[in-house]
Amino acid sequence: ETGVTQTPRHLVMGMTNKKSLKCEQHLGHNAMYWYKQSAKKPLELMFVYSLEERVENNSVPSRFSPECPNSSHLFLHLHTLQPEDSALYLCASSQDFTGLAYNEQFFGPGTRLTVL
Amino acid sequence: GQNIDQPTEMTATEGAIVQINCTYQTSGFNGLFWYQQHAGEAPTFLSYNVLDGLEEKGRFSSFLSRSKGYSYLLLKELQMKDSASYLCAVLDSNYQLIWGAGTKLIIKP
Repeated sequence: ETGVTQTPRHLVMGMTNKKSLKCEQHLGHNAMYWYKQSAKKPLELMFVYSLEERVENNSVPSRFSPECPNSSHLFLHLHTLQPEDSALYLCASSQDFTGLAYNEQFFGPGTRLTVL
Repeated sequence: GQNIDQPTEMTATEGAIVQINCTYQTSGFNGLFWYQQHAGEAPTFLSYNVLDGLEEKGRFSSFLSRSKGYSYLLLKELQMKDSASYLCAVLDSNYQLIWGAGTKLIIKP
């Protein structure tokens, strides 16, 4: 248990569906992250929120829409996805998102997404 | 461009020692992380190096040479539970984490 939970753990959806991934952290952290992890590829940072404000968006397609209603919760809304979006989506949190040299991230177990 | 290189897969024997290498080319350097990720689970933090040298933590040690853009993770007295992927990540000059693709370590009895 890392203190970061994600639901659902597995999701299968069609290309026309709309679904949402949920992340919750119980660590009192101020920064939260969404990553995409594809087989044999590096983790891809998608979004970063610090104190509920988006601070980074790494050119992610608009079919992925994040929402951070408070510092403990993070959502990723999915709409008209493509099969190549099938991957493991990881949520992480850290104490802060600043110029700190040491800023350990705590990861959730991920949501395994399959787009048919 | 920024790049992190590590072997895709390694195999080792229970009780032995294994060294997983990581080389990096990044715009600036503010530290290097190693994470462990068991199949189907979250990555978990193992170590952080920002100065040259060896950091030892139980059976695991991590080494850094900034001049060579090189790090390794050393695992001693391997146990079956050490079978996992090991991710190397570098914090660049913008404090952004650049990740390697991970090394899958297979431990055989």
